[in-house]
Amino acid sequence: AAGVIQSPRHLIKEKRETATLKCYPIPRHDTVYWYQQGPGQDPQFLISFYEKMQSDKGSIPDRFSAQQFSDYHSELNMSSLELGDSALYFCASSPRSGPLPSYGYTFGSGTRLTVV
Amino acid sequence: AQKVTQAQTEISVVEKEDVTLDCVYETRDTTYYLFWYKQPPSGELVFLIRRNSFDEQNEISGRYSWNFQKSTSSFNFTITASQVVDSAVYFCALKAGNQGGKLIFGQGTELSVKP
Repeated sequence: AAGVIQSPRHLIKEKRETATLKCYPIPRHDTVYWYQQGPGQDPQFLISFYEKMQSDKGSIPDRFSAQQFSDYHSELNMSSLELGDSALYFCASSPRSGPLPSYGYTFGSGTRLTVV
Repeated sequence: AQKVTQAQTEISVVEKEDVTLDCVYETRDTTYYLFWYKQPPSGELVFLIRRNSFDEQNEISGRYSWNFQKSTSSFNFTITASQVVDSAVYFCALKAGNQGGKLIFGQGTELSVKP
């Protein structure tokens, strides 16, 4: 079965550089969520999109922006990278309409960003 | 406000021991969902179970069982006869409301099962 695809799997950037993370949700899932998980931390919600519109916003820095495209894939753009941005970034998808599926959300394998 | 608390930061057991991971949640919503995820050293989040607020039946899946008690706002997870492969970080998570929406994760419990 198709899963949530995140690319790249690993990314190394220098301070003050820019990074773009991509997320391809499961077909027919119209909602995408981004989470950031720092070392030894729990995943923290950053932002979500439903039908290409921002639906909720969490603790996302102003240096970060995201969008969802017409094919429902989403990109997280991160500028002026700092050492503290080093983390595992997860994308998850779900159908927005109707009750939550029995499996809840489908998470991608994550992008591990290292800022040096 | 919504909150999930996993008071146990680390647990270490010897193989074949039973172990219970605690999860306490807070929400004002009458409809909500609770989840458990496993995060092995490779990093991916593996879905284990989802429970909705209207279903307090306990569930057993092989060596895994879950005890959901609304009266104490708890959703505890027990592994029976633990194995080394169970070593991972386990997260309890909460989603309020009936449809889609963000997950609120607990701090996670790192389980180490030693041979």
